[in-house]
Amino acid sequence: DVKVTQSSRYLVKRTGEKVFLECVQDMDHENMFWYRQDPGLGLRLIYFSYDVKMKEKGDIPEGYSVSREKKERFSLILESASTNQTSMYLCASRPDRVGGYTFGSGTRLTVV
Amino acid sequence: QQQVKQSPQSLIVQKGGISIINCAYENTAFDYFPWYQQFPGKGPALLIAIRPDVSEKKEGRFTISFNKSAKQFSLHIMDSQPGDSATYFCAASMKGGSEKLVFGKGMKLTVNP
Repeated sequence: DVKVTQSSRYLVKRTGEKVFLECVQDMDHENMFWYRQDPGLGLRLIYFSYDVKMKEKGDIPEGYSVSREKKERFSLILESASTNQTSMYLCASRPDRVGGYTFGSGTRLTVV
Repeated sequence: QQQVKQSPQSLIVQKGGISIINCAYENTAFDYFPWYQQFPGKGPALLIAIRPDVSEKKEGRFTISFNKSAKQFSLHIMDSQPGDSATYFCAASMKGGSEKLVFGKGMKLTVNP
């Protein structure tokens, strides 16, 4: 069964900390995505990557950066965590335009 | 133009009833329309998807109806069960563009026993 694995289910970080969220997929998918999910706001795209070392901004990239050094791994970085970044973060991958996303189980981040 | 509008925001149905979730879009370049199901504490999972060349697709109790002229598509859950209680997201993606999906805001379905 195909898998997208997010390294942490729950994280608590302090304001101003640099935070790394890791995502690994075992499906050899070209495309990987980071979303955040907040009540009433649905799924909002932060960044995505269509190839190694390639990245594009999504709808809400401010305060975030990403890294994709290997095809299977896509990292989301909060350069200086703030309380308004408390959220559920979801990673997803997609092989190409045919077919949907496979999501990870999510990381619930709390910034205090 | 990039938006997908989903309604209602929440729905409560009795066991055995029909659940209907509607989505509308503006961008006629969208050519792939999936539905995702999300249980609490889990990531969304692909439930069923349709392309504009068909008007309906059925998988078990789940049916997508697609109205290209109205730019609307809907998910029907027949014989709804308490295990169907989840959040449902519609989405769309464009041909010839980037690979990202545009999501609706989601609908929380509660099926009472």
